[in-house]
Amino acid sequence: EAGVAQSPRYKIIEKRQSVAFWCNPISGHATLYWYQQILGQGPKLLIQFQNNGVVDDSQLPKDRFSAERLKGVDSTLKIQPAKLEDSAVYLCASSRGGGNTEAFFGQGTRLTVV
Amino acid sequence: AQKVTQAQTEISVVEKEDVTLDCVYETRDTTYYLFWYKQPPSGELVFLIRRNSFDEQNEISGRYSWNFQKSTSSFNFTITASQVVDSAVYFCALWNSGGYQKVTFGTGTKLQVIP
Repeated sequence: EAGVAQSPRYKIIEKRQSVAFWCNPISGHATLYWYQQILGQGPKLLIQFQNNGVVDDSQLPKDRFSAERLKGVDSTLKIQPAKLEDSAVYLCASSRGGGNTEAFFGQGTRLTVV
Repeated sequence: AQKVTQAQTEISVVEKEDVTLDCVYETRDTTYYLFWYKQPPSGELVFLIRRNSFDEQNEISGRYSWNFQKSTSSFNFTITASQVVDSAVYFCALWNSGGYQKVTFGTGTKLQVIP
């Protein structure tokens, strides 16, 4: 079974630029998550999708972050414009059920904003 | 509000020693799930265990064991006879049934096993 795929692995951008991350979850997984992990901290949930609907986006900075999950499969997370404090690893995860089930994580995208 | 505290930031042990990683959680819900994940240097989080709030049975899986105590709101993780491959950051996480039903992670414990 293929794991959660994310791209790119690394991205360096200047502040105020835009960036997009892509995630392909495990086939058949209804729930998809985007987490932000700042160095030295635990992952923080940004947004959770159930199929292509948003379940929770309470911690998503909606003035600059947006995410979509087209057709309930792949997802993209966009930041526009980026700030220095957005430097982090962005992790995508998926699970068969809701947040109380085992999640499988991708390797993440390390974003550096300079 | 829910919270997960992993007070140990970093732990170093010599190979073959036993080590316990502490996790203390806070939640007002009676139904919740606790998780442990391992994050090796490659970056992806690897699921280790899930335990629901109604099941206080301790669990053993090979060299890993977990001690869940609701009375102290703790879900500690012990590695017996540690190996170099156990070196990683370990996260404890909590999902609760109320509110936003999201998973809250602790800040992680970095374990270094010295050969």
